[in-house]
Amino acid sequence: IAGITQAPTSQILAAGRRMTLRCTQDMRHNAMYWYRQDLGLGLRLIHYSNTAGTTGKGEVPDGYSVSRANTDDFPLTLASAVPSQTSVYFCASSDKEGATEAFFGQGTRLTVV
Amino acid sequence: GQNIDQPTEMTATEGAIVQINCTYQTSGFNGLFWYQQHAGEAPTFLSYNVLDGLEEKGRFSSFLSRSKGYSYLLLKELQMKDSASYLCAPMDSNYQLIWGAGTKLIIKP
Repeated sequence: IAGITQAPTSQILAAGRRMTLRCTQDMRHNAMYWYRQDLGLGLRLIHYSNTAGTTGKGEVPDGYSVSRANTDDFPLTLASAVPSQTSVYFCASSDKEGATEAFFGQGTRLTVV
Repeated sequence: GQNIDQPTEMTATEGAIVQINCTYQTSGFNGLFWYQQHAGEAPTFLSYNVLDGLEEKGRFSSFLSRSKGYSYLLLKELQMKDSASYLCAPMDSNYQLIWGAGTKLIIKP
């Protein structure tokens, strides 16, 4: 693994189903983030984690949950998917909390039908 | 509230210069980032400004005026591969990035 990796790359999901998007980084970054990107809108922060064991809510957290059991992994779970959660999801990490560059995964394109 | 304003789309010619403007309003300020995003790909870091003035990095330069809530990204000697979206993202007092919708730059031969 080099950098930050997301899985799956794309997924079609039936409404009401549970889904976990995976994110793993090998840069030993403390801070990790989940964003969604929708056409015509900027990236919107869903949840973040400043360090292993802690998480926080972003701008659009409803319907999503996260965990940060260790430094490398930051999964995002949709408990019961709805069509409005159709989006491209990006995981990102940065070396530390604060004004540092964020590195992004390649994205997960999720379609909820 | 927090707000980012940048043009939706711009067109420029290969070899030319283009300036992409961004105005912002945030709760506190801890610098401003510019990212490049090619279609279907992840954003990648271009520049970071925290003090007023111009930061130059090869063909790309970024300018910041904190008092005006204004930044621009200047791209010189445009190449076809520069066709992408350019995202302006100031960082607020909580060190959270506030993302603009991005400017889609189309380069024509």
